[in-house]
Amino acid sequence: AQKVTQAQTEISVVEKEDVTLDCVYETRDTTYYLFWYKQPPSGELVFLIRRNSFDEQNEISGRYSWNFQKSTSSFNFTITASQVVDSAVYFCALSETIQGAQKLVFGQGTRLTINP
Amino acid sequence: DARVTQTPRHKVTEMGQEVTMRCQPILGHNTVFWYRQTMMQGLELLAYFRNRAPLDDSGMPKDRFSAEMPDATLATLKIQPSEPRDSAVYFCASGLVGYTDTQYFGPGTRLTVL
Repeated sequence: AQKVTQAQTEISVVEKEDVTLDCVYETRDTTYYLFWYKQPPSGELVFLIRRNSFDEQNEISGRYSWNFQKSTSSFNFTITASQVVDSAVYFCALSETIQGAQKLVFGQGTRLTINP
Repeated sequence: DARVTQTPRHKVTEMGQEVTMRCQPILGHNTVFWYRQTMMQGLELLAYFRNRAPLDDSGMPKDRFSAEMPDATLATLKIQPSEPRDSAVYFCASGLVGYTDTQYFGPGTRLTVL
């Protein structure tokens, strides 16, 4: 069965520090997608990134970067020079394709607090 | 700026009442998903549709929950009768199979059943 583990329940850092959120997944599929979503205090789920299992290149978007390591089944997320606005719950998710639709399995989330 | 919309945003009701939540997917998307978020269980998939047809609703309590897509611009999730344990945030998400396969979420409906 598909499973996503985010071992860090809560992280608290001071503004401008770098922070890495860990995500480990389990799947028997050879083709899959990994996602990160952000849930700010307002409650909506905001899509951040999608990564195909065949593409192990790291990705950088501004202060955000993602490290995909298929060998360790990990898809970690780093925020560089964190800001107070980065405070949110971050979810890692794994997709499985059922009848042509991507079903998402979410981790339990990591609550990130950036203190001024 | 295309977004998934959900109504109502908040709903407080009494046990035994019927609750209907509505979702308007992003125009052109062909899959719609309903999720429930609680502190204890996290985010759980309840049901999903492709081209308006229900593909899987195994995550839903069948006796009281029902999901439909009367047309391509409206998805509904009904609970009848509602119970206090149904209190949660219900999210709708839509996606386009075969293109981006990314699910975009609505703002959610926060349901409180007293």
